[in-house]
Amino acid sequence: TQLLEQSPQFLSIQEGENLTVYCNSSSVFSSLQWYRQEPGEGPVLLVTVVTGGEVKKLKRLTFQFGDARKDSSLHITAAQPGDTGLYLCAGAGSGGGADGLTFGKGTHLIIQP
Amino acid sequence: DARVTQTPRHKVTEMGQEVTMRCQPILGHNTVFWYRQTMMQGLELLAYFRNRAPLDDSGMPKDRFSAEMPDATLATLKIQPSEPRDSAVYFCASGLERNSPLHFGNGTRLTVT
Repeated sequence: TQLLEQSPQFLSIQEGENLTVYCNSSSVFSSLQWYRQEPGEGPVLLVTVVTGGEVKKLKRLTFQFGDARKDSSLHITAAQPGDTGLYLCAGAGSGGGADGLTFGKGTHLIIQP
Repeated sequence: DARVTQTPRHKVTEMGQEVTMRCQPILGHNTVFWYRQTMMQGLELLAYFRNRAPLDDSGMPKDRFSAEMPDATLATLKIQPSEPRDSAVYFCASGLERNSPLHFGNGTRLTVT
């Protein structure tokens, strides 16, 4: 069973601060996806990283896939209250992205105004 | 904007009753997933289908849970009999093969008393 550990589990910071959340595993993934979930809704995809060492930017969000494709990080610059939510990472095994993703338990992020 | 639709959004039932949750995947998506989300366990994969055929239901308690896709526009998840420990949010998601994103519905919040 492939497990993904996310840290921290909870994070509450002030608007304007920077933060990094982590997603780690002992397993190698063919790709890794990051989702954000808001209360009462399903997770929504933010980004997919495929290549070891890959860095992708989405406005103030920077995603990195580890060289060995076992871990990933999400860095948010100048966090805003709209960034509040549950951030989930999900790893795809050898079968690809639509073959039963393994999800981490998520990081609950609160950005206080 | 294509969406995965789940019904009902909320369900409260008594222990021992049958519960049926429904999902309409995005047209053209050939893979459908059922996940269960709780605070303790996060998102757990229950079952998934490809081209309406069940591929993996190892995450599901088979004595009481069943998942079916009677046609390409409908997936169902049934619990009979329901138990209080089944209380959770159940998500349906659909996707295509190989590294494409999963599209989640907004879930069915089930409470079994």
